Amino acid sequence: DIVMTQSPDSLAVSLGERATINCKSSQSVFYSSNNKNYLGWYQQKPGQPPKLLISWASTRESGVPDRFIGSGSGTDFTLTISSLQAEDVAVYYCHQYYSTAFTFGPGTKVEIK
Amino acid sequence: QVQLQQSGPGLVKPSQTLSLTCAISGDSVSSNSAVWNWIRQSPSRGLEWLGRTYHRSSWTNDYAVFLKSRITISPDTSKNQFSLQLNSVTPEDTAVYYCAGRVAGSGAFDIWGQGTMVTVSS
Repeated sequence: DIVMTQSPDSLAVSLGERATINCKSSQSVFYSSNNKNYLGWYQQKPGQPPKLLISWASTRESGVPDRFIGSGSGTDFTLTISSLQAEDVAVYYCHQYYSTAFTFGPGTKVEIK
Repeated sequence: QVQLQQSGPGLVKPSQTLSLTCAISGDSVSSNSAVWNWIRQSPSRGLEWLGRTYHRSSWTNDYAVFLKSRITISPDTSKNQFSLQLNSVTPEDTAVYYCAGRVAGSGAFDIWGQGTMVTVSS
């Protein structure tokens, strides 16, 4: 199975400041045949299911604010929240769907400093 | 707008079978583009994909290897839903169970059920 790791485990950021979350996969999740990275990012708030924010490593889902930015390719990916808002307090997960044995990262908790 | 509504018991005895159902509205379980999944989440194991079912020219099921032969995911076209059965449960199977769909072509899980906390205990 592809192992997903994330860093940091948690971070505290001031309102309006940038939050950066890193995700690494144990093997590449890039398909050269269609030039796509099979990598998604989710946001989960307490008592709620995960919500898909970004697919294909950098494509925001409909309705997701443009302060959420996904980047990276191959094995190294980043989710950036460009200007943290109070409603962004949550745990964020990366997820690979390159291999049918779908796997998730352990999560990064984002809090307000 | 696609919605998933889960149902099923929150308490299962060890060695018995965990059964959950996910009712679909706004799409069809037989859709030739959607994929229907079960995922669980626990503090010790995080988010774990359990398996999926989908229809193209015929039905296909894929399951997580770690569950071996304990899992069955079944579509029910008459009720537009799909179900999860997990046999021979142990306390290690205690988790929040989610159904999730890939419906919009994102490749990832773009629609989720509300979650069901299942506790395995006598």
